[in-house]
Amino acid sequence: GDSVTQMEGPVTLSEEAFLTINCTYTATGYPSLFWYVQYPGEGLQLLLKATKADDKGSNKGFEATYRKETTSFHLEKGSVQVSDSAVYFCALGASGGSYIPTFGRGTSLIVHP
Amino acid sequence: GAGVSQTPSNKVTEKGKYVELRCDPISGHTALYWYRQSLGQGPEFLIYFQGTGAADDSGLPNDRFFAVRPEGSVSTLKIQRTERGDSAVYLCASSTGQGFDEQYFGPGTRLTVT
Repeated sequence: GDSVTQMEGPVTLSEEAFLTINCTYTATGYPSLFWYVQYPGEGLQLLLKATKADDKGSNKGFEATYRKETTSFHLEKGSVQVSDSAVYFCALGASGGSYIPTFGRGTSLIVHP
Repeated sequence: GAGVSQTPSNKVTEKGKYVELRCDPISGHTALYWYRQSLGQGPEFLIYFQGTGAADDSGLPNDRFFAVRPEGSVSTLKIQRTERGDSAVYLCASSTGQGFDEQYFGPGTRLTVT
């Protein structure tokens, strides 16, 4: 079945550092890909998405590119802020006739001033 | 408009008791999902509704778990004879279509079974 693998956290960075959170996937079809973010005490919310190969999703300075050849959707940000501290989830939309999205286990990001 | 709401936000119950968790999706969203999230894990799919019907309940762990959505809006997740292993955060999400669309999550209900 479909699966998502994210790098283990926590990822600890100083403010203004460069961020990469790796995400790779296996899927039977060509699903849309998502990054969700969960700030402390809040629900998951969509950060960005890409619907087909080579699409780049971007929001709030974060970017991720749908790479079909490497089955990856790595999240990047050039300069993180303390307010970016949260848990980030990579997810596959439904594919191959299924209606069920698949989530990774999440990567915690801690940004220090 | 309002987002997805879930009640209660916290529920503590004794082993063996029955609990109901409620989800109010965004108005007009036809798809509704229930997930369970354990500490350090991502959301684990439980059940998916399209309108009033359960389109896929393959994620429900056993027959103690049941969910309804009688009018195609509010949904209730019901757990009978709760066990300590049921302790988790139960998340509800809604979307305009199916699982390839963006999902809007509620804040979750933290269930603790003592």
